[in-house]
Amino acid sequence: DVKVTQSSRYLVKRTGEKVFLECVQDMDHENMFWYRQDPGLGLRLIYFSYDVKMKEKGDIPEGYSVSREKKERFSLILESASTNQTSMYLCAGTHRAGGVNEQFFGPGTRLTVL
Amino acid sequence: AQSVTQLDSQVPVFEEAPVELRCNYSSSVSVYLFWYVQYPNQGLQLLLKYLSGSTLVKGINGFEAEFNKSQTSFHLRKPSVHISDTAEYFCAVSLPSGNTPLVFGKGTRLSVIA
Repeated sequence: DVKVTQSSRYLVKRTGEKVFLECVQDMDHENMFWYRQDPGLGLRLIYFSYDVKMKEKGDIPEGYSVSREKKERFSLILESASTNQTSMYLCAGTHRAGGVNEQFFGPGTRLTVL
Repeated sequence: AQSVTQLDSQVPVFEEAPVELRCNYSSSVSVYLFWYVQYPNQGLQLLLKYLSGSTLVKGINGFEAEFNKSQTSFHLRKPSVHISDTAEYFCAVSLPSGNTPLVFGKGTRLSVIA
């Protein structure tokens, strides 16, 4: 089975802290994505990566950075957490099946910034 | 650029009744279309996808969707819902190139009432 895991299901941090959200996929595929999910706004793309050490900004990259040192791992970094970054964060990786890159999602990390 | 509109943010329906969740998309080129489901406190799971060919697509859990190019719609249907179908449903589009991120709608919360 294809698997995407995220390091924490729930996380509570203080304003100003540096926060790392980790995501690991076992599909040996290049593409990985970070989204945030907020009520009424759906999923919004923060950053994505097509390969090791490559990154592309999504729709809402401000306040975030990413790191992709190994193909299987894609980290989302909040350099200085703020309360408006309280949200659900979803990581996804792609697996090619039937000629299509299908996205598989991790269970999500619910981050609360106090 | 592509965009997705899910016309209903919430849909309440009685158990064993039929349901339709509406999705319209905008794109100047051909796209792939997807429906994902998110059960409480979980990540997203693929329900079904349309790539090409037959416009009626069957997915998991008894769901199906119909692609209508002239109306740029991809509505999700189920003839008889169960309590366990209570979840949030997301429609998404992507370009066929394979490496482009999905663009999601804002989601429809389906509540099945006993």
